[in-house]
Amino acid sequence: GQQLNQSPQSMFIQEGEDVSMNCTSSSIFNTWLWYKQDPGEGPVLLIALYKAGELTSNGRLTAQFGITRKDSFLNISASIPSDVGIYFCAGFPQGAQKLVFGQGTRLTINP
Amino acid sequence: GAGVSQTPSNKVTEKGKYVELRCDPISGHTALYWYRQSLGQGPEFLIYFQGTGAADDSGLPNDRFFAVRPEGSVSTLKIQRTERGDSAVYLCASSLLPGSTDTQYFGPGTRLTVL
Repeated sequence: GQQLNQSPQSMFIQEGEDVSMNCTSSSIFNTWLWYKQDPGEGPVLLIALYKAGELTSNGRLTAQFGITRKDSFLNISASIPSDVGIYFCAGFPQGAQKLVFGQGTRLTINP
Repeated sequence: GAGVSQTPSNKVTEKGKYVELRCDPISGHTALYWYRQSLGQGPEFLIYFQGTGAADDSGLPNDRFFAVRPEGSVSTLKIQRTERGDSAVYLCASSLLPGSTDTQYFGPGTRLTVL
């Protein structure tokens, strides 16, 4: 089945640092989404990308839909303690209605 | 307004037992999705409903898994003869319309533990 490769698997950073994570696929995706999941909760949508090359921001978060439609990245600037959690990329493969998720990036922030 | 709710939040059962997991979607949302999330992994698609009908059940792992949505609102995921490998968090999501441009809103999940 479709798979998304998300990296890194985990990050340990200092408060105030910028963060970057990415997601790649071997096949074309029509939509790229970035979610955050806190313990005991379901994923919450952060940013949605619908067109190749699209660059979208949501506060300190910026994400881009790769021009090849096979990758996406998420940047978080000036990290704060509440950014701690697991970030997932997800997307709809071309021609499919099923949302596919990456393995997640666990972000830990040292105060 | 209320988000997606799931009950129970935790379910512990013994191998071989039958379990039902319930999902209450956001009112008015026509599309409902079930996912399974194993420890340290991203959610994996199981099934999605458009109204009362299962539009795609290709993610159900085997015939022990079944889901219904008889009135186009609440959905129940049913697992027969549970196995230890069924232990996971089962997530439900709903969207106003199906498709890749409509945001899926997730519930908090049901953590199933099969002993």
